[in-house]
Amino acid sequence: KAGVTQTPRYLIKTRGQQVTLSCSPISGHRSVSWYQQTPGQGLQFLFEYFSETQRNKGNFPGRFSGRQFSNSRSEMNVSTLELGDSALYLCASSLEPLGRAYEQYFGPGTRLTVT
Amino acid sequence: LAKTTQPISMDSYEGQEVNITCSHNNIATNDYITWYQQFPSQGPRFIIQGYKTKVTNEVASLFIPADRKSSTLSLPRVSLSDTAVYYCLVGDSTGRRALTFGSGTRLQVQP
Repeated sequence: KAGVTQTPRYLIKTRGQQVTLSCSPISGHRSVSWYQQTPGQGLQFLFEYFSETQRNKGNFPGRFSGRQFSNSRSEMNVSTLELGDSALYLCASSLEPLGRAYEQYFGPGTRLTVT
Repeated sequence: LAKTTQPISMDSYEGQEVNITCSHNNIATNDYITWYQQFPSQGPRFIIQGYKTKVTNEVASLFIPADRKSSTLSLPRVSLSDTAVYYCLVGDSTGRRALTFGSGTRLQVQP
């Protein structure tokens, strides 16, 4: 079974621009979660989508948004990029929504650099 | 929100058993305890999950005392490839609370 895939793997953007990251979950997984990882803040939960609905959201500004499609693929969008948004963005998928279990499978991440 | 506290780092040698303890004093009744492993430049990898007592799989064991205010991940006979950061995570049964990963424990295994 193919693992979680994320595209692109690396991205360089300029302050003020927006960016869209994509995540394809493991086949059959309907829950997709997004995380931001930085050296200073560690791993922080952004949001979870299950069956195209956002179930939960972390403590991030509204510039961070996401969506999930009917095939469970998910996209994350960050608008008006700031230097502090430079991070590794990780996507994780699971069979069940968070709460029923926490066995998630993470993708390799997208390394976003904002200049 | 159940905050977790783990040692920042640990050192071990190949072949030894490693026990990493996580403190989660304000864990709620129905919260799960989950552990992940992360190598540099990779996403975390699920290791084990438990609710109470002891859970064992082919990779590790998880010990949870009766009061559930802490948990211990046990890695038997570590090898160099177990050098990684280990995260303890407490998640609620509704999934409605934002997940919190702690700072993690950096395990260094030496030959």
